[in-house]
Amino acid sequence: QSALTQPASVSGSPGQSITISCTGTSSDIGGYNYVSWYQQHPGKVPKLLIYDVTNRPSGVSDRFSGSKSGNTASLTISGLQTEDEADYYCSSFSISSTRVLFGGGTELTVL
Amino acid sequence: QVQLQEWGPGLVKPSETLSLTCNVFGGSVTTDTYYWSWIRQPPGKGLEWIGYIHYTGSTNYNPSLKSRVTISADTSRNQFSLKLSSVTAADTAVYYCARAGLAVTTSRYWGQGTLVTVSS
Repeated sequence: QSALTQPASVSGSPGQSITISCTGTSSDIGGYNYVSWYQQHPGKVPKLLIYDVTNRPSGVSDRFSGSKSGNTASLTISGLQTEDEADYYCSSFSISSTRVLFGGGTELTVL
Repeated sequence: QVQLQEWGPGLVKPSETLSLTCNVFGGSVTTDTYYWSWIRQPPGKGLEWIGYIHYTGSTNYNPSLKSRVTISADTSRNQFSLKLSSVTAADTAVYYCARAGLAVTTSRYWGQGTLVTVSS
């Protein structure tokens, strides 16, 4: 059982927007702005999409955006494309246990 | 462009020690603003953080693995290493090395990953 809770799967149609949630506690997501999101295609290396809740590394499409409210962080993908079909992981840092946390991952299907 | 490359045995026997090394190219492990991490992913499962090291020698490990994990750095060779003792089949995974920033959840650069299977 992962320390951060994500839905196991989400789906959407090309062109639509979807949001993936990541729920933690006040000791991790709720306590600091250290939330990252990763995209992983099958058999590939995870790719950093979002860091520090809302920031995108250079080269990442602006269709990807992050936000946070209380103990829940969210990743929104707008204008869904077939190549967005992948697994998505959130990550945060727990102040109470001083460890890096990952969510269990969310499989995105673009129908 | 920073590149990381893991290497080590792909097969380890139960109860033995898993040892992997990550070579860093295009950057220095002695850069003060980075932490050097190990992350693993069992087949078909999610990511699990193992731990990280700063070149000063400061380390931080996942409490669930802490009793079995050692991460070290060799600044002269610009590499860092992972040792995981007393392995079982549950330690079978793709092991990644990565560079994290001061916000240790932010890993922009990853190695390609290496599959380590624990089996007799």
